[in-house]
Amino acid sequence: RKEVEQDPGPFNVPEGATVAFNCTYSNSASQSFFWYRQDCRKEPKLLMSVYSSGNEDGRFTAQLNRASQYISLLIRDSKLSDSATYLCVVNTGGKLIFGQGTELSVKP
Amino acid sequence: EAQVTQNPRYLITVTGKKLTVTCSQNMNHEYMSWYRQDPGLGLRQIYYSMNVEVTDKGDVPEGYKVSRKEKRNFPLILESPSPNQTSLYFCASSSSGTGEGEQYFGPGTRLTVT
Repeated sequence: RKEVEQDPGPFNVPEGATVAFNCTYSNSASQSFFWYRQDCRKEPKLLMSVYSSGNEDGRFTAQLNRASQYISLLIRDSKLSDSATYLCVVNTGGKLIFGQGTELSVKP
Repeated sequence: EAQVTQNPRYLITVTGKKLTVTCSQNMNHEYMSWYRQDPGLGLRQIYYSMNVEVTDKGDVPEGYKVSRKEKRNFPLILESPSPNQTSLYFCASSSSGTGEGEQYFGPGTRLTVT
């Protein structure tokens, strides 16, 4: 089993749709969690950190469930500019493990 | 401007010819790391460093060496490159010594080993 697993993509959605990405991790000692965005093989950039209490940044909401070892990202009112690959990242004692990424394509 | 720089950005080389990819950050970050990205496999951590003179293996360290003699630089060394090391490489840094904060990535180095 992979240490960090994400939903397989690609997700093709119309503008304005709500889309949810899921991610599971296997190491219960993992300490911190993130969602990164990567455009076309460019460098990844932080989208949001993920906390147990959940956090929201505009149209984006991230949730962490430590008991189920599960992380989610919800994007509401999708824009064309949201098209990218979304990477789930887990930090365990300084070692970072990336999920394979889920590709999102938002169509007009 | 706060940034992570990598050089070279593109490199084509031959099997067995030693090479070094440099990485430098100007943000006084404690944590630095190297990743490779391959289609279908995502980003995989090669090595990371929580401080000067401290380095640890990531998931795929075989065939690579690193050093952290000074805070700002974290070069990646391929002593004897092989074709299976053809990949897109990213360097990153973080202000948190354990890498818990935001990772700032360099622009990437595309390496081809023939």
